[in-house]
Amino acid sequence: ETGVTQTPRHLVMGMTNKKSLKCEQHLGHNAMYWYKQSAKKPLELMFVYNFKEQTENNSVPSRFSPECPNSSHLFLHLHTLQPEDSALYLCASSRTTGQGNQPQHFGDGTRLSIL
Amino acid sequence: QKEVEQDPGPLSVPEGAIVSLNCTYSNSAFQYFMWYRQYSRKGPELLMYTYSSGNKEDGRFTAQVDKSSKYISLFIRDSQPSDSATYLCAMGSTGFQKLVFGTGTRLLVSP
Repeated sequence: ETGVTQTPRHLVMGMTNKKSLKCEQHLGHNAMYWYKQSAKKPLELMFVYNFKEQTENNSVPSRFSPECPNSSHLFLHLHTLQPEDSALYLCASSRTTGQGNQPQHFGDGTRLSIL
Repeated sequence: QKEVEQDPGPLSVPEGAIVSLNCTYSNSAFQYFMWYRQYSRKGPELLMYTYSSGNKEDGRFTAQVDKSSKYISLFIRDSQPSDSATYLCAMGSTGFQKLVFGTGTRLLVSP
């Protein structure tokens, strides 16, 4: 496999459920990112990991909990979500962070719907 | 004022037209500029990557950066129905780990 792979592609959950999103990159990158994409809004950066260490938490509510066990895998654990959390969640990777000359490569996202 | 401004469209053109997509920005520290293409139900795909001012060409695509005007453009020549997608601009700078994205412009190319 190549690129950035996200699973599941679609997820419907109730507000009291707990679920996890998974991201895996096969590009040999050291930085991984979670973004939220909502209609008519710019991509919202949520979390950044560089060499497995979290370097950015963009004031994300605690009902979103990231985990990065190694440079190739990234998870987003979800619990007690709200209807406004329904969106497309995108994972991205880049060679490293701290340098704007590192283009990010994206997965196809998980479309999340909260009932 | 938003850090990056991009017209959401939709922009509708006939097949074969030259398309111009644009973004303006306010932060003069931005040095690296990217264009991503996003098809429906897919993630953004990197199309073009440029540094500082000037032009870069790749096939039917030309990216142009004017730092003095804080304005970037993506030109698509001989547009095809397969170019129908949302185009996102993004920019960053050295020592700044975030990329800042525009809202995206939806392009529709009709046969």
